[in-house]
Amino acid sequence: AQSVTQLGSHVSVSEGALVLLRCNYSSSVPPYLFWYVQYPNQGLQLLLKYTTGATLVKGINGFEAEFKKSETSFHLTKPSAHMSDAAEYFCAVEGSARQLTFGSGTQLTVLP
Amino acid sequence: EAGVTQFPSHSVIEKGQTVTLRCDPISGHDNLYWYRRVMGKEIKFLLHFVKESKQDESGMPNNRFLAERTGGTYSTLKVQPAELEDSGVYFCASSPLSGRALGELFFGEGSRLTVL
Repeated sequence: AQSVTQLGSHVSVSEGALVLLRCNYSSSVPPYLFWYVQYPNQGLQLLLKYTTGATLVKGINGFEAEFKKSETSFHLTKPSAHMSDAAEYFCAVEGSARQLTFGSGTQLTVLP
Repeated sequence: EAGVTQFPSHSVIEKGQTVTLRCDPISGHDNLYWYRRVMGKEIKFLLHFVKESKQDESGMPNNRFLAERTGGTYSTLKVQPAELEDSGVYFCASSPLSGRALGELFFGEGSRLTVL
């Protein structure tokens, strides 16, 4: 069975500041990990994914995430926040059943 | 190319009534999924179609929920009779059968269901 924990349901950062959204997972099989983003009034959009290989993965809009097996983490970062980054972010893991198990989401607010 | 389309975007019904949600996947996508998010909690898997066949319906909460995908194109999710705890946002997602990047699902905007 898989599970995902996102620490912090709401995160606020100033424009230009570092964005760090935390995600920890548990999985009984080697995990495939994902971050999805939902902008207001839109569907979920894939931001980035880790399957195999390089543990630091880059996604769209300057986001990246690092898979750390020893810490069972897959935190999402962006060096400099932009107002357009305000959205809800979901971490997810895909297990053997090919289903996505999502975390409860983190609402990111970017302050001017 | 049109994305995943869901209807209605918002439905308000009374307890005991019936609601049918519709999802039109991206053309050519044989995989179709339904997910649900209840009251700001995590998004949970409901079921998975491959073409017209139910591949996995382990996430369906109870027999008040019925999903169909006749002809392997659009899908409907019917809730009958609706209960208060069914309120939430119902997401549909699709992906191609082959060549699909793991986890890369294309989501619709969701149908928000409010049961009073």
